[in-house]
Amino acid sequence: QLQLQESGPRLVRPSETLSLTCTVSGASISSTNHFWGWVRQPPGKGLEWIGSVHYSGNTYQNPSLKSRVTISVDTSKDQFSLKLTSVTALDTAVYYCARHHGETPEYFFDSWSQGTLVTVSS
Amino acid sequence: NFLLTQPHSVSESPGKTVTISCTRSSGAIASSYVHWYQQRPGSVPTIVISENYQRPSGVPDRFSGSIDSSSNSASLTVSGLKTEDEADYYCQSYDSRGLVFGGGTKLTVL
Repeated sequence: QLQLQESGPRLVRPSETLSLTCTVSGASISSTNHFWGWVRQPPGKGLEWIGSVHYSGNTYQNPSLKSRVTISVDTSKDQFSLKLTSVTALDTAVYYCARHHGETPEYFFDSWSQGTLVTVSS
Repeated sequence: NFLLTQPHSVSESPGKTVTISCTRSSGAIASSYVHWYQQRPGSVPTIVISENYQRPSGVPDRFSGSIDSSSNSASLTVSGLKTEDEADYYCQSYDSRGLVFGGGTKLTVL
């Protein structure tokens, strides 16, 4: 059974970099032709797509966040990662990692992590 | 990038039918799949309609999806409403610049 689990600091200082890693178990990132993505949800608000990555390294990012976002993949560890630079309180959110159902980001997310609340505060 | 606009909230009584709309601001609604997620309070989003009208395994047939090119919108219809359907619902679509989620609709079953 596919499982996704985020790890990383839950508290980040303003202007610093938010870093999260999603570890995939129950499947290999490189053995299935799926895209993998990051979605966030500020408290009490809606879902926002951050970006998605393929095991080949091909990535797509939300244009509104693109200048601050780096998404990478480590197939040897079945992990993919998110870095968001120059964070502010507006970046406080529950961050989810998820798997697309198919080989392009057009496909829906069929598996999600439980989500982790990352707070930006001094 | 385009926007997907949903009503902020809808409410209906148990046993009735409700439809939630999702209007695309630019680009044809039919140019890419529309997916719908349900998110109950404190829970992770789950897919209820994929690829415009497909119902994934395990989703009750009370849930249905459609698209309307004339209004450039997609719709999620829930019939025979149950209290367990009370949740936030999000549409999602795509273009060459990436994914977009609608703002979400809070469905209240009262």
